[in-house]
Amino acid sequence: SAVISQKPSRDICQRGTSLTIQCQVDSQVTMMFWYRQQPGQSLTLIATANQGSEATYESGFVIDKFPISRPNLTFSTLTVSNMSPEDSSIYLCSVAQSSSYEQYFGPGTRLTVT
Amino acid sequence: SQQGEEDPQALSIQEGENATMNCSYKTSINNLQWYRQNSGRGLVHLILIRSNEREKHSGRLRVTLDTSKKSSSLLITASRAADTASYFCATSSKWRNTPLVFGKGTRLSVIA
Repeated sequence: SAVISQKPSRDICQRGTSLTIQCQVDSQVTMMFWYRQQPGQSLTLIATANQGSEATYESGFVIDKFPISRPNLTFSTLTVSNMSPEDSSIYLCSVAQSSSYEQYFGPGTRLTVT
Repeated sequence: SQQGEEDPQALSIQEGENATMNCSYKTSINNLQWYRQNSGRGLVHLILIRSNEREKHSGRLRVTLDTSKKSSSLLITASRAADTASYFCATSSKWRNTPLVFGKGTRLSVIA
């Protein structure tokens, strides 16, 4: 298993500003995933972050809006740029280990944009 | 994009009763997983069933998979108030280290 922490756990931000969310894993993993969960909804994949290469974004998500860094095998950041109220969501990072199909999730970052 | 459709969207039962949630998906899968989410926090993995399996048990959980109908069900027996949460199915493709595709989820409320 993997233990994942995220910072911050929650934040209230003003429209037009940016927030960087950190995801730290207690072991080395190849792939990290960033998901968005809008209020009352399911999880939608934003991007896959592979160490040493550019993140791969899903349809509807672009690098300018959600830049991702993956400097090493235990850490990643997701920035939500130029925020609007529609970005109010829970943002979750997860990891998969090469030995299994299970994914392990961080506790999430609850973002409110006013 | 969401692959799974879960029903019901919300379920309210009394403590001690059984809760059944269903999930349907659209494409071929390697396995199907169920996760629990408490109060908008992180997801916790509950159980994984492979595409060549039909039924799997783990404690009070029973999962079935029907690949011909592209559907799965999660049964929680003898429910407890602590089971109150949202439950999501998620499908995985052939390859490890690939993202999961989540269903819409079922909000379960267990009343003491």
